[in-house]
Amino acid sequence: NAGVTQTPKFQVLKTGQSMTLQCAQDMNHNSMYWYRQDPGMGLRLIYYSASEGTTDKGEVPNGYNVSRLNKREFSLRLESAAPSQTSVYFCASSANHGDINQPQHFGDGTRLSIL
Amino acid sequence: AQSVTQLDSQVPVFEEAPVELRCNYSSSVSVYLFWYVQYPNQGLQLLLKYLSGSTLVKGINGFEAEFNKSQTSFHLRKPSVHISDTAEYFCALNTGFQKLVFGTGTRLLVSP
Repeated sequence: NAGVTQTPKFQVLKTGQSMTLQCAQDMNHNSMYWYRQDPGMGLRLIYYSASEGTTDKGEVPNGYNVSRLNKREFSLRLESAAPSQTSVYFCASSANHGDINQPQHFGDGTRLSIL
Repeated sequence: AQSVTQLDSQVPVFEEAPVELRCNYSSSVSVYLFWYVQYPNQGLQLLLKYLSGSTLVKGINGFEAEFNKSQTSFHLRKPSVHISDTAEYFCALNTGFQKLVFGTGTRLLVSP
């Protein structure tokens, strides 16, 4: 009964290093999302994938890339990490993008610090 | 543009007291509203949702919320809180394509 699994749970990087955050879901969901959570700002959408083979920008995509590797997996890549990307990153999935009856299910987050 | 406002960043309350967490929204189109809860070091869990129909929505853990279109509000309430309700609560708005717009969150602190 894993749901949405994110790895790693914690990571410290130096400015300029690259990093890929991994996300996998076992609910056979079509749609997946990446958010960042910053104090006093709630969650903001970085990128999403409405279905396998498609990705779209969200509210704050700059500095990030994503890959929908298959139906289960959706990764987020920081090519050259900056201190402003220090945040908690959440992956989520839902059955179908656009179906408001299907809620998003969230992973437990990746806490990323960039020095 | 759609937005969600949670004016209270923190709400302290004693155990067994009632609580109301406020949420106001702004949207020019039909809205679908959600409350999520986040326990420490965990992801978000759905508490309840308003899609249509009855304006009073009941969720898990004894929480309920009332959709008020004229006041553009969707306040969350619980008649008697427990220590275990200590968490951060997020109000969110979905304008129809599963792109959620979140409020900044309200931290509920329940003390004995």
